Amino acid sequence: DTGVSQNPRHKITKRGQNVTFRCDPISEHNRLYWYRQTLGQGPEFLTYFQNEAQLEKSRLLSDRFSAERPKGSFSTLEIQRTEQGDSAMYLCASSLGLGQGGQPQHFGDGTRLSIL
Amino acid sequence: QQQVKQSPQSLIVQKGGISIINCAYENTAFDYFPWYQQFPGKGPALLIAIRPDVSEKKEGRFTISFNKSAKQFSLHIMDSQPGDSATYFCAASKMKFRDDKIIFGKGTRLHILP
Repeated sequence: DTGVSQNPRHKITKRGQNVTFRCDPISEHNRLYWYRQTLGQGPEFLTYFQNEAQLEKSRLLSDRFSAERPKGSFSTLEIQRTEQGDSAMYLCASSLGLGQGGQPQHFGDGTRLSIL
Repeated sequence: QQQVKQSPQSLIVQKGGISIINCAYENTAFDYFPWYQQFPGKGPALLIAIRPDVSEKKEGRFTISFNKSAKQFSLHIMDSQPGDSATYFCAASKMKFRDDKIIFGKGTRLHILP
């Protein structure tokens, strides 16, 4: 059973650079979610996809952030012109959405982003 | 506005004791209440979950108690072990809708003394 896979696990970059993270969900899951977790806090929702459609974006997702899921399988999260405040753990989760309802979300181990 | 409030922030329990973590929510539209366990450097892992039509759910040493009228729920860990030392998050979501994003509490750092 392959869980949610995220790459890279760690990313260190200078302020102002662009970064991209990848998430591979559990293969039969049609829903994919991105969350952000800062130190000592619970994860906060950023955005989610059902298949390739991006259905909701949090107001936390500024215009420097963009997420895609081009073929309804893996997803990428890009941050442009990174800022110190972007330093966090970026978590991906997936679930099997059934009609209007959902199933439990399973999380990957995240990508830890550090901005120098 | 914090939709899910969790307490305590940290908890120290002797091995073999009972660990209790409490949560309160505001939105009555929530219909799914999971608890996640997170170890350092790892993502949250689903531990146990409950829906509001039942007042208690037990899985092994882990029990959720749910009080719908008070909008409160709690996690009890019986016979706590050092391996249970982790951060625990209560959460809520609206599973029966498309809007099933998870709202997390701020977490409780649990330490079990050997």
